[in-house]
Amino acid sequence: DAEITQSPRHKITETGRQVTLACHQTWNHNNMFWYRQDLGHGLRLIHYSYGVQDTNKGEVSDGYSVSRSNTEDLPLTLESAASSQTSVYFCASSEAPADTQYFGPGTRLTVL
Amino acid sequence: AQRVTQPEKLLSVFKGAPVELKCNYSYSGSPELFWYVQYSRQRLQLLLRHISRESIKGFTADLNKGETSFHLKKPFAQEEDSAMYYCALTPSGNTGKLIFGQGTTLQVKP
Repeated sequence: DAEITQSPRHKITETGRQVTLACHQTWNHNNMFWYRQDLGHGLRLIHYSYGVQDTNKGEVSDGYSVSRSNTEDLPLTLESAASSQTSVYFCASSEAPADTQYFGPGTRLTVL
Repeated sequence: AQRVTQPEKLLSVFKGAPVELKCNYSYSGSPELFWYVQYSRQRLQLLLRHISRESIKGFTADLNKGETSFHLKKPFAQEEDSAMYYCALTPSGNTGKLIFGQGTTLQVKP
């Protein structure tokens, strides 16, 4: 069955380190999204992509980057992790931009 | 500014009671509205979207453009409805960019 996976599921890192969170989907969806979930804020869009080589900034993109080299993967990189980036990160994909988004299981990141 | 507001962090009701989860939005155009749900230890998933006008698991939501609201309702709550509920909008223009509210935890007591 097609699905969307994220790895790792839990990560603890130190301030200043570079961290990459993986997102992989097997639906062949062109559209992929990264969100962070924080208490009191709901989910906020970090970056999104409409296809290979396409990436766009979302509402809270500072300190994050993405690259899209193939359809299946959209890794999220924290260039220099900060404590404010402690959060739960969700990846999602959709067949068309405004279609239903299918979410991954999430990655809980702690920055000490 | 585009914004979605869910005024209740927690809504606690007894089984069989009616449920209304409130959602208000701020957007000058014609947005598309959604309700997403996250059950315990499960992924966030779409519950319903206003353009489909469906009733899913007994839940309905009506878009009220005059009051800029999209409240989620169910006449008789079940214990399995206990979950976190998020209201979200996507601006017109087919971008797919979801703007979420803060979320409301629904607790249905036996």
